[in-house]
Amino acid sequence: GESVGLHLPTLSVQEGDNSIINCAYSNSASDYFIWYKQESGKGPQFIIDIRSNMDKRQGQRVTVLLNKTVKHLSLQIAATQPGDSAVYFCAESDASGGSYIPTFGRGTSLIVHP
Amino acid sequence: DGGITQSPKYLFRKEGQNVTLSCEQNLNHDAMYWYRQDPGQGLRLIYYSQIVNDFQKGDIAEGYSVSREKKESFPLTVTSAQKNPTAFYLCASSVTDRVGSEAFFGQGTRLTVV
Repeated sequence: GESVGLHLPTLSVQEGDNSIINCAYSNSASDYFIWYKQESGKGPQFIIDIRSNMDKRQGQRVTVLLNKTVKHLSLQIAATQPGDSAVYFCAESDASGGSYIPTFGRGTSLIVHP
Repeated sequence: DGGITQSPKYLFRKEGQNVTLSCEQNLNHDAMYWYRQDPGQGLRLIYYSQIVNDFQKGDIAEGYSVSREKKESFPLTVTSAQKNPTAFYLCASSVTDRVGSEAFFGQGTRLTVV
């Protein structure tokens, strides 16, 4: 998961395992959260989002969990594949407060070993 | 296809030189953003614009300038006042007419000072 420091947090898993990537967000007023996937040398791509009136949302092979009490977000990837290797970012915004600007966490590097 | 196009993909700048990074979108999005990404780091907001002919400074605007003369275009100029410009620059856009919407990213421009 994410941590304070100079190095990008890294999660290494075996192909077929489930992966859990964590994110601690800072703004208690944030009400919209997104997970992005960034492959090397490319722009981030949307994976899944969740609004603050939900605590869980599922997509294809991915699930996002939101715990507003402790300001924590997680991304679960089922049956992780080598193509899932990338850096994953969470982003938050205070949409109902009129700000659509996403604020990004530092990211977690996911390495999937075949 | 709709999307965001950044150009060039790679850019080299000499010391003391201004350079301009292009960002064009055909998604009819009102909001556009510029982020800077350094190795092993998250995305930091440089400038954003939520409407034509208006833009706001982000967290690290010093040494950068932007313009928003057209809805589709949001060029970023890296001036000689930016002392450490080598980085990966990402442009994004989003809608602003509904609560909570993801930002769509371009493929980035990698700027190197030579």
